[in-house]
Amino acid sequence: RKEVEQDPGPFNVPEGATVAFNCTYSNSASQSFFWYRQDCRKEPKLLMSVYSSGNEDGRFTAQLNRASQYISLLIRDSKLSDSATYLCVVVGGSNYKLTFGKGTLLTVNP
Amino acid sequence: DAGVTQSPTHLIKTRGQQVTLRCSPKSGHDTVSWYQQALGQGPQFIFQYYEEEERQRGNFPDRFSGHQFPNYSSELNVNALLLGDSALYLCASSPGPHLHQETQYFGPGTRLLVL
Repeated sequence: RKEVEQDPGPFNVPEGATVAFNCTYSNSASQSFFWYRQDCRKEPKLLMSVYSSGNEDGRFTAQLNRASQYISLLIRDSKLSDSATYLCVVVGGSNYKLTFGKGTLLTVNP
Repeated sequence: DAGVTQSPTHLIKTRGQQVTLRCSPKSGHDTVSWYQQALGQGPQFIFQYYEEEERQRGNFPDRFSGHQFPNYSSELNVNALLLGDSALYLCASSPGPHLHQETQYFGPGTRLLVL
């Protein structure tokens, strides 16, 4: 089983749609969880951290379920500018390296 | 305040050659991590440098080596290049090796093509 697995995508949605990305991780000792965004041919940038209590930043909501080892990202009222690859990231156990999922490509269409 | 910088931006090499990639961390950061991102994949951790020593290493062969200088900048060296080494190489810096994952900043990357 891969350390971090994401929805394979790609996702194509119209502007204004709500879209959800899912991610599972294998290491139950994982400590920190993040969503990164990567635009085409650019470096990854931190979108938001993910907490057990859930957290929201404007149109973005992230959730963590430690029991199920599952992370989600919800984007409401999609904008054209949300088009990017969304990477699930886990920081695990005894080390502090970032472990990335494969990423899910989102295209928001006019 | 300059962010993370990497050089060169693009590089073309042939199989068997050696390559050196460079990274300057964000001001105030002393830890540098290197990642390899193949096309269509997420970044994969190569190794991390702190206090001029390799502190952690991912699942990469010894052909991949690195160095950190007293000014915290870092180099990634890859020997005996293979076609499969073609990828975007990302450098990320942070203020310390164990903390502040949320403040790990990535550079724009070096795109390496091995022919």
